[in-house]
Amino acid sequence: QSVLTQPPSVSGAPGQRVTISCTGSSSNIGAGYDVHWYQQLPGTAPKLLIFGNSNRPSGVPDRFSGSKSGTSATLAITGLQAEDEADYYCQSYDSSLSGSIFGGGTKLTVL
Amino acid sequence: QITLKESGPTLVKPTQTLTLTCTFSGFSLSISGVGVGWIRQPPGKALEWLALIFWDDDKRYSPSLKSRLTITKDTSKNQVVLTMANMDPVDTATYYCVHRHPDTSDAFDMWGQGTMVTVSS
Repeated sequence: QSVLTQPPSVSGAPGQRVTISCTGSSSNIGAGYDVHWYQQLPGTAPKLLIFGNSNRPSGVPDRFSGSKSGTSATLAITGLQAEDEADYYCQSYDSSLSGSIFGGGTKLTVL
Repeated sequence: QITLKESGPTLVKPTQTLTLTCTFSGFSLSISGVGVGWIRQPPGKALEWLALIFWDDDKRYSPSLKSRLTITKDTSKNQVVLTMANMDPVDTATYYCVHRHPDTSDAFDMWGQGTMVTVSS
């Protein structure tokens, strides 16, 4: 069981907006540690999507955005496209574990 | 352009020690803030962070696996080596080598293609 909790799956139609939550605790997200998000397309290595809660690496479309509040973080995807169908993971640092932690992953299905 | 590539055995027997090598290019592990780590993913399951080594030889390990892991670097060869002792079938996974973004709290901005390791007798 992952320290960061994500919904196992979300879905949406092309063009719609979807959000993926990532819930932690007072020893990780709630302690002020940054949250990063990764996209893993089928059969490929994960790719950094959002870093430092809300920053996009060069080349990531602005349809992807991140936010953090309290002990949770959210990834939002607007203008959903078929190519967005993938697994999404959140990541943070946990002070009690003294290391990085990942969420259990969320499978996004584009209907 | 940063690239990382993992190499090592695809099959190991239970109780054996796994040795994986990450060979990278496009950056130096002697520059302040730089780090290289390892992350694994069992088939159909979530990502799991394993270890991280920094430019100054500081090392961090997953608490649940710390007793079995060793991470080292060879700056002159642009390589990072991970050893995992006492392998078990539950360690079957794809193992990724990752580059730590130097200006972040351990965001991994570049990943190797991954290497699948199966543990079976």
